[in-house]
Amino acid sequence: DTGVSQNPRHKITKRGQNVTFRCDPISEHNRLYWYRQTLGQGPEFLTYFQNEAQLEKSRLLSDRFSAERPKGSFSTLEIQRTEQGDSAMYLCASSHRDKRANEQFFGPGTRLTVL
Amino acid sequence: GQQVMQIPQYQHVQEGEDFTTYCNSSTTLSNIQWYKQRPGGHPVFLIQLVKSGEVKKQKRLTFQFGEAKKNSSLHITATQTTDVGTYFCAGHRSNSGYALNFGKGTSLLVTP
Repeated sequence: DTGVSQNPRHKITKRGQNVTFRCDPISEHNRLYWYRQTLGQGPEFLTYFQNEAQLEKSRLLSDRFSAERPKGSFSTLEIQRTEQGDSAMYLCASSHRDKRANEQFFGPGTRLTVL
Repeated sequence: GQQVMQIPQYQHVQEGEDFTTYCNSSTTLSNIQWYKQRPGGHPVFLIQLVKSGEVKKQKRLTFQFGEAKKNSSLHITATQTTDVGTYFCAGHRSNSGYALNFGKGTSLLVTP
C-alpha cells in the first residue's frame, strides 16, 4: 500500500491557461474523490467516481472543470481558462466500497497558484 | 443545503490541558467522520460514528455523536504537542451517500 499519490505537487500558471492534475489512488480502491481546499477552510467536495463512472459532481463546479477516470484507476482533473479564484490545494482521496467505515485516504494534494 | 459548523475556530492550550471541539449540522447525518490535518499535511481519518448517542475512545481522544445525529464532539485529554493540527468533522451530504461535507475545522495549538 503506497498510499494516494498526486502529481504535480505544485503548479503555477498564468490566468487563462489550462492545467491538468493527476491522482493515483490506492490500488484496490474503487471510489475516488476530488476536493478543493483553501486556507482556513475544510476540504470542499468537487466530484466522485466509483470505478470509471462519475456519479456525483458538485453544483459549485463550473463547466471549466472536468474530471475523468477512464479505466477506473487513476483520475485527472482539468481546469480550463484558469482564474485567480481557482488558486487552492486540490486534494484527491480514495476509499474501498467494501471496507470499514468509508474511510477516505487523502493524497498530499496539488497546490495551484494562478497568477 | 446541508452545512456543518465547527467551533471554536482556534484553540491554544498549554500541554497537559484538555481540548474539545464541537460540530453541528443543520440536518440529520447518517454518520459523521473526524479527520486530523497536521500543518502542511493532508487530512487523515480518525474515526467514524454511526449510531445515535455513540461514544468511541482512542487513547486520549473521545468522540461523541449526539442523540439527534446532528452534533458531535471530539475531546482530547491531557494534550500533547503531537496533537497540534486542525481537526475536521465531516458528514455525508443529505442527498448523497458519497460526498463528505467538511466543517471549517478547529486549529489546535499546544505549547509546552
